[in-house]
Amino acid sequence: DAGITQSPRHKVTETGTPVTLRCHQTENHRYMYWYRQDPGHGLRLIHYSYGVKDTDKGEVSDGYSVSRSKTEDFLLTLESATSSQTSVYFCAIGGDSQNIQYFGAGTRLSVL
Amino acid sequence: DAKTTQPPSMDCAEGRAANLPCNHSTISGNEYVYWYRQIHSQGPQYIIHGLKNNETNEMASLIITEDRKSSTLILPHATLRDTAVYYCIVRGASQGGSEKLVFGKGMKLTVNP
Repeated sequence: DAGITQSPRHKVTETGTPVTLRCHQTENHRYMYWYRQDPGHGLRLIHYSYGVKDTDKGEVSDGYSVSRSKTEDFLLTLESATSSQTSVYFCAIGGDSQNIQYFGAGTRLSVL
Repeated sequence: DAKTTQPPSMDCAEGRAANLPCNHSTISGNEYVYWYRQIHSQGPQYIIHGLKNNETNEMASLIITEDRKSSTLILPHATLRDTAVYYCIVRGASQGGSEKLVFGKGMKLTVNP
């Protein structure tokens, strides 16, 4: 998976609890992305980062926050998880001259 | 991003070439055609991309028509492991990576033994 590690790979949590997903890269790519994938909706961009401490919203950012304190780590936080945030979350890296994105293996999150 | 149209599904026999079509009639001059695939329960995987010339790499070939309104991804010798959802995506070539990938519904390719 192109030097991308997502953790945890699976998580079950309860409504109202905070959850943090981690994406770690060893490729030194400038850009990192968080997507979610749901049946009927395909992949949708949540947030992305274009450098340390530089982030921006995607199309489904409500209820999510991100942080990037180091080039290699991009964290996605659900401050108070809801059942609608049950999904598979994918991290991607990219932003090279050819605009190719490389994806991690995904995190399957269930909010009960 | 320009909209792309793909058939919802296609079958192919193992060992044969798989030709996956994509229409992108509204593509603009500086937009590239990218192909990704997603094998069940895995993250999307980049396959190939091109602007107007045909491209080939170790995974596939990409044939883009002269008017750039359609393209075909060719897997020369399909294997069972090529069974996946294939996404044709058109996006700009701006530097910086700020353009998100817009994944449509894609096309499910099933390679049969």
